Amino acid sequence: AQTVTQSQPEMSVQEAETVTLSCTYDTSESDYYLFWYKQPPSRQMILVIRQEAYKQQNATENRFSVNFQKAAKSFSLKISDSQLGDAAMYFCAYRIPFGNEKLTFGTGTRLTIIP
Amino acid sequence: NAGVTQTPKFRVLKTGQSMTLLCAQDMNHEYMYWYRQDPGMGLRLIHYSVGEGTTAKGEVPDGYNVSRLKKQNFLLGLESAAPSQTSVYFCASSYSQLGTGELFFGEGSRLTVL
Repeated sequence: AQTVTQSQPEMSVQEAETVTLSCTYDTSESDYYLFWYKQPPSRQMILVIRQEAYKQQNATENRFSVNFQKAAKSFSLKISDSQLGDAAMYFCAYRIPFGNEKLTFGTGTRLTIIP
Repeated sequence: NAGVTQTPKFRVLKTGQSMTLLCAQDMNHEYMYWYRQDPGMGLRLIHYSVGEGTTAKGEVPDGYNVSRLKKQNFLLGLESAAPSQTSVYFCASSYSQLGTGELFFGEGSRLTVL
C-alpha cells in the first residue's frame, strides 16, 4: 500500500522569508501524481501544486515550487516570500493515474507565518 | 459557481442516533469521495464512488454507508452514531481517468457524537 509521510507537524516562518515543507512517500508504481493541498482556517482544501512523476522538471506556481526527487521518493514544497495568507495546514498527497483515482494523504504540516 | 456543497455544516448527535450527510456537486464529475479528518491523522478515505449507482469501500468504512443514486449527489449515512465518529467530514469530487487528478472539496461538516 502506498504511504505518504510528513515528518514536520508544525513549521513557522517569518513573513517574506522562504520555507520548505517535507514529504516522502512509498510506492512501487513508476507513474503517479503528487499534490500539495492547503487547508486554511476556513477548512476548505485547496490545491496548491501538482507534479506528474514522469516529468523531470519541478512544478512551479507563482511563489510555490516543489523539489521532486523520484529516486529518493521525496516531494518537498517551497514557499517563497511567505505571506500571512499562507498560514494553513498543508497536506501532501499521492495518486496513481488510472483506476479509481483515490488520493492518499499525509498527516499534514501546520504552517505559521510570523509577522 | 457552487462546486461541491455539503449539508449540514455542523451537527451534534447522541450515541445511537442516525444521520445522513449530503454532498452535491455541479461539475458533472464521475468520481466522488467521503473523507474524514482527525487531528494528527490527515484525511482518511471512508467510501467512494466511480459513477452513478456505484460505491466502494475506502480505508475506514466501518460504521458508515453511502449511496449514489444520482450522479451529482453522494450521501454518507451513520446508522448508529458512536463517539469515535466525532470528526470533520469532507466530500470531494473529481473528473474521470482522463483528468489530472485534482479533487475539488466541500467545506467540511463537523460532526460531534456525545
